[in-house]
Amino acid sequence: SQELEQSPQSLIVQEGKNLTINCTSSKTLYGLYWYKQKYGEGLIFLMMLQKGGEEKSHEKITAKLDEKKQQSSLHITASQPSHAGIYLCGADDNNAGNMLTFGGGTRLMVKP
Amino acid sequence: KAGVTQTPRYLIKTRGQQVTLSCSPISGHRSVSWYQQTPGQGLQFLFEYFSETQRNKGNFPGRFSGRQFSNSRSEMNVSTLELGDSALYLCASREQGLGGYTFGSGTRLTVV
Repeated sequence: SQELEQSPQSLIVQEGKNLTINCTSSKTLYGLYWYKQKYGEGLIFLMMLQKGGEEKSHEKITAKLDEKKQQSSLHITASQPSHAGIYLCGADDNNAGNMLTFGGGTRLMVKP
Repeated sequence: KAGVTQTPRYLIKTRGQQVTLSCSPISGHRSVSWYQQTPGQGLQFLFEYFSETQRNKGNFPGRFSGRQFSNSRSEMNVSTLELGDSALYLCASREQGLGGYTFGSGTRLTVV
């Protein structure tokens, strides 16, 4: 089965600083999803990447997919307190249809 | 378009009891999947239903079961509850093979 490893596990940054979260897969990535979660709540969809080299941006968040490295990165520019939360990457297990395997999550705190 | 609706939001049950959780997907989405989130194990896939058929199942005991109705609404049932079943249960809906997975706000189950 596929495994996803996220790094770092937690991150504390000063407001205004940039940061990057990585997600590395044990297998080829067919579809990679980034979600944000506030504690105890549902997952908020951020972005979906499907092709190697694909890069998507929404507001101050950019995600890239490096197919060769079996890795995706999520970059936040000029972080704000509203960016705080848990970021999760999830990948389609292409052998099993609509089933996501998730990384362990990255807990982000932004200090004002 | 209404999002994914999960009911109830919170539930407290006693060991040995059974519980049923409900999930109403986005209109038109025929795939519904369920996940369990705990601090120790993270987000883990339970099962996925499409057109009233279970297509995939995660590595959970038979006490965990589910079903999907003709209107795509889904329920999951946990029988003979154990303390370790305390978790946030999330469901997600998706158009078949298209786009991202949209998650509900979850049901927080506490077993005492």
